[in-house]
Amino acid sequence: AQKVTQAQTEISVVEKEDVTLDCVYETRDTTYYLFWYKQPPSGELVFLIRRNSFDEQNEISGRYSWNFQKSTSSFNFTITASQVVDSAVYFCALRYNNAGNMLTFGGGTRLMVKP
Amino acid sequence: EADIYQTPRYLVIGTGKKITLECSQTMGHDKMYWYQQDPGMELHLIHYSYGVNSTEKGDLSSESTVSRIRTEHFPLTLESARPSHTSQYLCASSEPGQASYGYTFGSGTRLTVV
Repeated sequence: AQKVTQAQTEISVVEKEDVTLDCVYETRDTTYYLFWYKQPPSGELVFLIRRNSFDEQNEISGRYSWNFQKSTSSFNFTITASQVVDSAVYFCALRYNNAGNMLTFGGGTRLMVKP
Repeated sequence: EADIYQTPRYLVIGTGKKITLECSQTMGHDKMYWYQQDPGMELHLIHYSYGVNSTEKGDLSSESTVSRIRTEHFPLTLESARPSHTSQYLCASSEPGQASYGYTFGSGTRLTVV
């Protein structure tokens, strides 16, 4: 069975602070894909990043960076110099090559960035 | 520009009414999904489809039903709405067969049953 855990239910920071959202996953598959989605107050889920299990390189995109560590089954997401517009719920998700190709979501982390 | 559309965006309806939430995608994806999101944020898969005339129940038991008569259309129906159905409903689709692809989500329908 696969599972994604986002232990932080809610995080509150002040603008310009750095913040890291944790994601721990469980899977028996050797080939799998990890995702992060952002859900702003408007409600839609916006795709942020995809990472496959064979690529452990960290990735940086502007103020966003992702740290993938297979040894600890973690795929953490860091926002540098947070802004009020970063306020949203963030979901980590896992997908693997089983018959259904289902996406398993974590419980989400609500990030509040205060001015 | 959205490639997957959900209507209505917001709906307030009385108990006992029948409602249909619409979901359409223009990407030609075979796989489509319905998620129910409770106020606690967690996403629960309630229905999915692998293609035309294919529908399956998801992890969370739901009183809703779905149909897939056309590839691009995956409506969700509640025959008799109840206050416990108050939630946000998100529709999604994905490329067939490839786990490397994520899902594309619609903007959601916020349903309130009074």
